[in-house]
Amino acid sequence: GQQLNQSPQSMFIQEGEDVSMNCTSSSIFNTWLWYKQDPGEGPVLLIALYKAGELTSNGRLTAQFGITRKDSFLNISASIPSDVGIYFCAGPRGSGNTGKLIFGQGTTLQVKP
Amino acid sequence: ETGVTQSPTHLIKTRGQQVTLRCSSQSGHNTVSWYQQALGQGPQFIFQYYREEENGRGNFPPRFSGLQFPNYSSELNVNALELDDSALYLCASSLGMIDYGYTFGSGTRLTVV
Repeated sequence: GQQLNQSPQSMFIQEGEDVSMNCTSSSIFNTWLWYKQDPGEGPVLLIALYKAGELTSNGRLTAQFGITRKDSFLNISASIPSDVGIYFCAGPRGSGNTGKLIFGQGTTLQVKP
Repeated sequence: ETGVTQSPTHLIKTRGQQVTLRCSSQSGHNTVSWYQQALGQGPQFIFQYYREEENGRGNFPPRFSGLQFPNYSSELNVNALELDDSALYLCASSLGMIDYGYTFGSGTRLTVV
């Protein structure tokens, strides 16, 4: 079945450093989504990608939809303490845009001031 | 504009009992999706409701059931609770089934003992 694999599983970085994380799948996805989850909260959508090769930014965050449609990358530049949290990639289950999502297992980011 | 609200925030139940979790969708949203998030994992899709009808279901047994009401609020019911049902249950609302502008609630933390 469809699965999303995120790496790294966790990161511990210094404030000001750049961060890169990725998400891969053995299946093709037509949409890639990146979410952030803070402790005790639900996930919040950061970036949505709809086309292979697409590069989209949201402030210090940049995400790319891989050309093969089987991967996506999220970069955070000049990290700050409030970037701490769990980052999830997600994509729609099955074929078509049904709005029902598969999530990766998450990348936990910790930032040292 | 109010967001998605879930109740209760925390719940402890005994194995074999039944539980009902509630979700009020964001104003104007007619679609509600439920997810189960085990500790250290990404959310897993349970089912989705659109205009009071179930519209798709993940790999969850029939003892997981739901309802959506005319005001688009929703309930998740779980019968014959098992220890593995302990998780954070997230509700997400959206406008339509193909909208990726999901708004997640903060979740209900269910512990089964």
